[in-house]
Amino acid sequence: DAKTTQPNSMESNEEEPVHLPCNHSTISGTDYIHWYRQLPSQGPEYVIHGLTSNVNNRMASLAIAEDRKSSTLILHRATLRDAAVYYCILGPYNTDKLIFGTGTRLQVFP
Amino acid sequence: GAVVSQHPSWVICKSGTSVKIECRSLDFQATTMFWYRQFPKQSLMLMATSNEGSKATYEQGVEKDKFLINHASLTLSTLTVTSAHPEDSSFYICSARVFSGMNTEAFFGQGTRLTVV
Repeated sequence: DAKTTQPNSMESNEEEPVHLPCNHSTISGTDYIHWYRQLPSQGPEYVIHGLTSNVNNRMASLAIAEDRKSSTLILHRATLRDAAVYYCILGPYNTDKLIFGTGTRLQVFP
Repeated sequence: GAVVSQHPSWVICKSGTSVKIECRSLDFQATTMFWYRQFPKQSLMLMATSNEGSKATYEQGVEKDKFLINHASLTLSTLTVTSAHPEDSSFYICSARVFSGMNTEAFFGQGTRLTVV
């Protein structure tokens, strides 16, 4: 499985945008970029995924570099409920299992 | 969206006993489910892939005789921790993945916190 590198932790103030980076220099052509987050004492939840083009949904935006060796998860206005560990995961579309890295712990301050 | 439910949410057991954790897909059928383990302040570690109607596939280093997985129906997978010891205390999480066109999303249970005393 291709490896991802994320900062261990990041901080943000409430209602400010947050940009969470992920490096994946060994990404293969068939790898999708998936983002999940885990709130304290809960199972992870899906945030967004993409292949080449930038993606938007109600939770976040995903900006993918042109060479696909990095991506950025964008939370447009952080709330206290966004405090979680965010995981960037690579994997082919048709693979079932997700292999989690260390993720980024996001703290949001009021 | 799809829902995956785990039961129990937490359990305390005595050393040497066995504990069963259930994982149900509530509104979809899951031919494949996954079991993860998470120690405090660490990431999720994939333990095994649970396949409906066949044997589970275990990740390297996971003892299949200690962590028994049964996937007898399309909506239920169970993980039994046999002869549990304090080092088995952890947060166990199951998941199932749904593919729909170009959408792919994994749904996770709320987790089961196991404490072995």
